[in-house]
Amino acid sequence: DAKTTQPTSMDCAEGRAANLPCNHSTISGNEYVYWYRQIHSQGPQYIIHGLKNNETNEMASLIITEDRKSSTLILPHATLRDTAVYYCIVREYNQGGKLIFGQGTELSVKP
Amino acid sequence: GAVVSQHPSRVICKSGTSVKIECRSLDFQATTMFWYRQFPKQSLMLMATSNEGSKATYEQGVEKDKFLINHASLTLSTLTVTSAHPEDSSFYICSARGGGQMNTEAFFGQGTRLTVV
Repeated sequence: DAKTTQPTSMDCAEGRAANLPCNHSTISGNEYVYWYRQIHSQGPQYIIHGLKNNETNEMASLIITEDRKSSTLILPHATLRDTAVYYCIVREYNQGGKLIFGQGTELSVKP
Repeated sequence: GAVVSQHPSRVICKSGTSVKIECRSLDFQATTMFWYRQFPKQSLMLMATSNEGSKATYEQGVEKDKFLINHASLTLSTLTVTSAHPEDSSFYICSARGGGQMNTEAFFGQGTRLTVV
C-alpha cells in the first residue's frame, strides 16, 4: 500500500505557484520522498526527490517539514503544460527500493 | 534525464494470443526494471521487479505464468502477456533504474496501450 496521502485534485492559475501537499506520517529514517508526474497517456516523469533538506531543481522545489511527516512540491510558475497527475512516493534509497504509487493529485492549470 | 524506450506504443491483439512488450534503457545500464499496469482513471500498479540475469519477483496477485518477464541484458527487459483476454486490456509501463550514480530516480518508458479484442 502507498504510504502517502494527497488531495485528489487541485486547480492553479497559469503563472501562479502551484503548491502540492503530501502527508507521509509513517515515513522511516531511510526513506526518501520522491515526486513524479504523469501527463495523460504517458509514462511518469521524475521531478525531484529529497531526504530531509529542502531541494530545488529546474522543475520544482521540494519542502520537507522538520519532522519529515509531510512535504510540499512547489511549481513556481505553473503553465498549462504542467497539468498532470502528481505522485508523492516514499521509498528506501537502495537498489531494490520499489516505487509504489498512490492515487496522486490531479493538478489542473487554468488560463 | 536517462531515456527508457518501450515498444510498441500501441497494440491490438485477438483474445487468446500472446503479446510481447519491450523495454529498453537507451543510455544507461538498467540493473533493475519494474513493470506496471494502469487501468483507466486509476494509479499505476506494480506488477513485478526484475534484476538482470535473475527471475522476476512478482507482486501479490499477479500471475507469473501469464505475465512472463525476461531481463536477459542490462538494457532490455520484455513482458509477454500470454493468452491475452479482454480484461488484460490496459496501459503497461516499464521503469528502469541503474546502479552506481544512476541509483537515484527511476526512469519510465512512454507506456504501451494493449487492447485485446
